Amino acid sequence: AQKVTQAQTEISVVEKEDVTLDCVYETRDTTYYLFWYKQPPSGELVFLIRRNSFDEQNEISGRYSWNFQKSTSSFNFTITASQVVDSAVYFCALSPYNTNAGKSTFGDGTTLTVKP
Amino acid sequence: DAGVTQSPTHLIKTRGQQVTLRCSPKSGHDTVSWYQQALGQGPQFIFQYYEEEERQRGNFPDRFSGHQFPNYSSELNVNALLLGDSALYLCASSPGQGPGQPQHFGDGTRLSIL
Repeated sequence: AQKVTQAQTEISVVEKEDVTLDCVYETRDTTYYLFWYKQPPSGELVFLIRRNSFDEQNEISGRYSWNFQKSTSSFNFTITASQVVDSAVYFCALSPYNTNAGKSTFGDGTTLTVKP
Repeated sequence: DAGVTQSPTHLIKTRGQQVTLRCSPKSGHDTVSWYQQALGQGPQFIFQYYEEEERQRGNFPDRFSGHQFPNYSSELNVNALLLGDSALYLCASSPGQGPGQPQHFGDGTRLSIL
């Protein structure tokens, strides 16, 4: 069985601060995909980033960066210079490598509040 | 380019009733997945449809059923509604059955059971 744990229920920061969202996962699969989604108050989840288990290279995309460490089963997500518009619920998700990622396992989310 | 659209936006039902939720996938997408999201929790996978067949299913009882039409749109049906079925129901679409395809989500249908 797969499991995703987001230990931080809520985080509050002041605008322009950097913030890191933690994600720890469990799976018996040796290959898999990891995702981060953002859910604003409107309800629609928006895809942010994807990483497959083969590639542990960490990347930066604009204000977003992620740190994938297979040895510790962690896939942390960092927002640099946070903005008020970043306020949302952020979900980490895990899917098997050999199936459509529709059957993803989600964590319970971290609510990020960015104050002006 | 229209994204994933769901209807209705909100729905109120009573215990024991039946409900049908509808979803039109993003243009160019042929795979539709349904999720249930309880308040304060992450989405839980219900099932996925591709080529008008249920391809994968999560841990949900048979009261939850679905259908996919030739135009790729989909319905989620829930029978004998329970109070615990109150949740946000999300539809997600993706192109094909390839692994690792990010899901495109709709705004969801908020179902309340009285």
